[in-house]
Amino acid sequence: AQSVAQPEDQVNVAEGNPLTVKCTYSVSGNPYLFWYVQYPNRGLQFLLKYITGDNLVKGSYGFEAEFNKSQTSFHLKKPSALVSDSALYFCAVRWDSGNTPLVFGKGTRLSVIA
Amino acid sequence: ETGVTQTPRHLVMGMTNKKSLKCEQHLGHNAMYWYKQSAKKPLELMFVYSLEERVENNSVPSRFSPECPNSSHLFLHLHTLQPEDSALYLCASSQELAGVYYEQYFGPGTRLTVT
Repeated sequence: AQSVAQPEDQVNVAEGNPLTVKCTYSVSGNPYLFWYVQYPNRGLQFLLKYITGDNLVKGSYGFEAEFNKSQTSFHLKKPSALVSDSALYFCAVRWDSGNTPLVFGKGTRLSVIA
Repeated sequence: ETGVTQTPRHLVMGMTNKKSLKCEQHLGHNAMYWYKQSAKKPLELMFVYSLEERVENNSVPSRFSPECPNSSHLFLHLHTLQPEDSALYLCASSQELAGVYYEQYFGPGTRLTVT
């Protein structure tokens, strides 16, 4: 079955330190990968995507993610975390095999501590 | 978030009430979606409309009834809901082209409480 895993419910990081939010996906054709962020009482906001091309993708607010086909991963990273980055982060995947919908991970709550 | 708007932002309704959620997108997209977001559960896709035709219905109970009168508007009609239907209901839109995958843009959501 097509699935997306975010293995960490919560990630804590000190302000100024690098952050990583993990995402892995099941293999079922070519994946199209997305990261979204959700602030309290708000909808999901698009951060970045990988469709094809360079494995390192840069997105909004200084975030980036690296597509790793051999490890079936698409981890979200930022070199220096800000307190304002504290939010809920969702990884989402869509596969090119058939007319598949976007499948979301369960989300990872990021807390950046001053 | 001004690209996709949702009204109302908050709704409290009894189990015997009938209400509707409204979504409007100002992005010129041709696909719209309803999602349900419950605490500690993954985001659940409820309905997909592409070119104003429903293409996905993930076994959603009939007490939820979607309507897409045109490519910019999407409604979710609610009747005889259960307390477990209390959740954040998110609307999203995207541009769908064969073989091309674009990101979805989300509205702020309607926080629904069923009493």
